[in-house]
Amino acid sequence: GEDVEQSLFLSVREGDSSVINCTYTDSSSTYLYWYKQEPGAGLQLLTYIFSNMDMKQDQRLTVLLNKKDKHLSLRIADTQTGDSAIYFCAESILKAAGNKLTFGGGTRVLVKP
Amino acid sequence: EAGVAQSPRYKIIEKRQSVAFWCNPISGHATLYWYQQILGQGPKLLIQFQNNGVVDDSQLPKDRFSAERLKGVDSTLKIQPAKLEDSAVYLCASSLEVTYEQYFGPGTRLTVT
Repeated sequence: GEDVEQSLFLSVREGDSSVINCTYTDSSSTYLYWYKQEPGAGLQLLTYIFSNMDMKQDQRLTVLLNKKDKHLSLRIADTQTGDSAIYFCAESILKAAGNKLTFGGGTRVLVKP
Repeated sequence: EAGVAQSPRYKIIEKRQSVAFWCNPISGHATLYWYQQILGQGPKLLIQFQNNGVVDDSQLPKDRFSAERLKGVDSTLKIQPAKLEDSAVYLCASSLEVTYEQYFGPGTRLTVT
């Protein structure tokens, strides 16, 4: 079955790097995503990685995927106060019926000045 | 490019009442999703449309929830009658095709008293 787990909370100082971790259970996952949610707002897609990749870098964001351990991480370099938000990891499996996203419970990131 | 629009943004109703939410996806996006996000949890897919056909409604509580997308553009999600546990944010998302990134609207926060 599909299950995505994340730690609840992360506190980091402004300018440091943040690392948010996620584990998933379904080895047939096709895509893995990171979304950001600010208070009162919808989800903003940050980045995604295909399951046949190990790493993806996009400006301050680096995604690492360990398929063997079913572990996904998001590293934010030079963390800013504007990065304070809830970050959701999600997996999807492409089936004939569509591309259903299964989300983790979210990690609340607090950036301290 | 305009994003996914949703209305209303907030709704407070009493249990056993009915409520409807509206979603207008990004222009040209064939796939539309409704998610339920209970406080402190990640979003959970309720229903997915491809144009005006239902692709996946396996997690939609069909005894009280209904959704339609008559002309393959806008969509309405209805709850009748509402229960206390339906209090949540209802998020609409759309994507170009099934395999593409999902873009989320700001959500409708429903409080059932």
